[in-house]
Amino acid sequence: DTEVTQTPKHLVMGMTNKKSLKCEQHMGHRAMYWYKQKAKKPPELMFVYSYEKLSINESVPSRFSPECPNSSLLNLHLHALQPEDSALYLCASSLLPGQHSGNTIYFGEGSWLTVV
Amino acid sequence: GENVEQHPSTLSVQEGDSAVIKCTYSDSASNYFPWYKQELGKRPQLIIDIRSNVGEKKDQRIAVTLNKTAKHFSLHITETQPEDSAVYFCAARGTGGGADGLTFGKGTHLIIQP
Repeated sequence: DTEVTQTPKHLVMGMTNKKSLKCEQHMGHRAMYWYKQKAKKPPELMFVYSYEKLSINESVPSRFSPECPNSSLLNLHLHALQPEDSALYLCASSLLPGQHSGNTIYFGEGSWLTVV
Repeated sequence: GENVEQHPSTLSVQEGDSAVIKCTYSDSASNYFPWYKQELGKRPQLIIDIRSNVGEKKDQRIAVTLNKTAKHFSLHITETQPEDSAVYFCAARGTGGGADGLTFGKGTHLIIQP
């Protein structure tokens, strides 16, 4: 099973709303990632969690708040977003170097976010 | 940090011909180079990858070559078919010791002309 599951698939939210994106994997991966992808652009790394600890934050605004409750789950809490935050948000996971060649990164289907 | 350049941005080939997409990277410590195919409205799908201890890898109609000295790698698709039409992204990943994310090239829109 190489599945990374994301919910919801589509989300429309107002600029004053609070919402969350959820991601789940059961592959035993100890690295999990959030990427943002705008139309016709490559995915851009936002956050990396390694062993449930935040290891990389690519200078993402605080209106995006990640959370890793356990080794299988990754959330992205959204608050006071702007219309320019509308994008495809991709969750991904991988093994770590200590987990026998932790290179391949598997992407979920993504959550399409529209901020109105 | 890592910087990945990808060319061309658009590539149109006749069905049955070959397509080649090229990428260069800046960080000599990078050791993993995947290629992703993304169809409209879908997630990136890994199609082939190569590690820095290998110069070439092939999987049916798809091959990737890596030149570590020159810091460039290429995707080769032979006998192209209409279903190969998509955006292709190259990427590079470093060896930070922890969980490094991928740095992507800007993408190549491959169009297969019937």
